[in-house]
Amino acid sequence: DAGVIQSPRHEVTEMGQEVTLRCKPISGHDYLFWYRQTMMRGLELLIYFNNNVPIDDSGMPEDRFSAKMPNASFSTLKIQPSEPRDSAVYFCASRSSTGGALTEAFFGQGTRLTVV
Amino acid sequence: DAKTTQPPSMDCAEGRAANLPCNHSTISGNEYVYWYRQIHSQGPQYIIHGLKNNETNEMASLIITEDRKSSTLILPHATLRDTAVYYCIASSGTYKYIFGTGTRLKVLA
Repeated sequence: DAGVIQSPRHEVTEMGQEVTLRCKPISGHDYLFWYRQTMMRGLELLIYFNNNVPIDDSGMPEDRFSAKMPNASFSTLKIQPSEPRDSAVYFCASRSSTGGALTEAFFGQGTRLTVV
Repeated sequence: DAKTTQPPSMDCAEGRAANLPCNHSTISGNEYVYWYRQIHSQGPQYIIHGLKNNETNEMASLIITEDRKSSTLILPHATLRDTAVYYCIASSGTYKYIFGTGTRLKVLA
């Protein structure tokens, strides 16, 4: 397997524009997580899904952020409208429930978002 | 999930063992201790996990105290490529990880 695949790797956009980040989890993994990383706040969990259903979105900063998982092999994180303070590295991770809590999470390479 | 506390930074000489401590004094009986590391700006990478017994794999060893209130990650022969931020996480079966600030390990030549 190629691992967790995120696209794009880098995104530069102007304030006010819509931004869509994409993630393809590892095949067979039933948990998917979106994290955001900044120097000030570190790694923050934004939302996670189980079997394509959002379980906990309490980390989503505000209504400008939304996430979907239309099927087991694809998820998106959308920011509309984007603001400069959204600039960060966004990571997607996936994990299998087979084996219970013993299974590890696999992270993608991240999307570096810059909002100017 | 229990809060973990780690020193913000550590140095280690290349070839020597790196011992990274983690305090998790409020850990509950069903919470595992996980260690991940993040090299430069890459995504975090799993290292090892344990419940109460010491664990070893090809990357590292994990020593958990008998009362489970603290643990130590040991990299037996640190190399320059081990320079990274190391995260200690205490988590039960909720499947999500809450990352703290981690320890920035610098391996010196």
